[in-house]
Amino acid sequence: GAVVSQHPSWVICKSGTSVKIECRSLDFQATTMFWYRQFPKQSLMLMATSNEGSKATYEQGVEKDKFLINHASLTLSTLTVTSAHPEDSSFYICSAPSGRETQYFGPGTRLLVL
Amino acid sequence: GDSVTQMEGPVTLSEEAFLTINCTYTATGYPSLFWYVQYPGEGLQLLLKATKADDKGSNKGFEATYRKETTSFHLEKGSVQVSDSAVYFCALSDRDTNAGKSTFGDGTTLTVKP
Repeated sequence: GAVVSQHPSWVICKSGTSVKIECRSLDFQATTMFWYRQFPKQSLMLMATSNEGSKATYEQGVEKDKFLINHASLTLSTLTVTSAHPEDSSFYICSAPSGRETQYFGPGTRLLVL
Repeated sequence: GDSVTQMEGPVTLSEEAFLTINCTYTATGYPSLFWYVQYPGEGLQLLLKATKADDKGSNKGFEATYRKETTSFHLEKGSVQVSDSAVYFCALSDRDTNAGKSTFGDGTTLTVKP
């Protein structure tokens, strides 16, 4: 089946630094990808929709200048957490739709900001 | 807007017990319905799906039937194993209005004891 990868799988950084997370669709093209955030023992919260060739669409309450999204190609979307702070520590998951009915999720990136 | 309500957990069962995790939804369009499983420290894996009313999704002994009249998609398994211990998420994807992005329930933690 289709595979979505994320890199890195985990990252620890100092407060104030920026962190880039990559999401790749390995065997299919995705003009749209989605970025989710998951807090411990909670559900996934959609942060934004990444669109190839145009600006990302952010959900209400998500700071677009804080979470920069770039859909560089039909198989790659990146999420950059700028000037990260401890409250940004979370599990970030991307997904890509394949066809009209199925989404494939990446394995997630665990971010810890010290 | 769209929403998914899942049975609250945690759920603890003995091996070979019968499992039911309830899920109901509200949606403005005609959604596809999904169950995802998340093992500790990992991303989401698609467990099963159903795309129209009365469809039954099944995989690895798990089943769920799309009930439009009761707006439900309950997950069942006849005989659980210790390896089924994980968090289970019910989700919908309303392809008509939300371009495939998913709305998740809060997740139900299942622990199966030997």
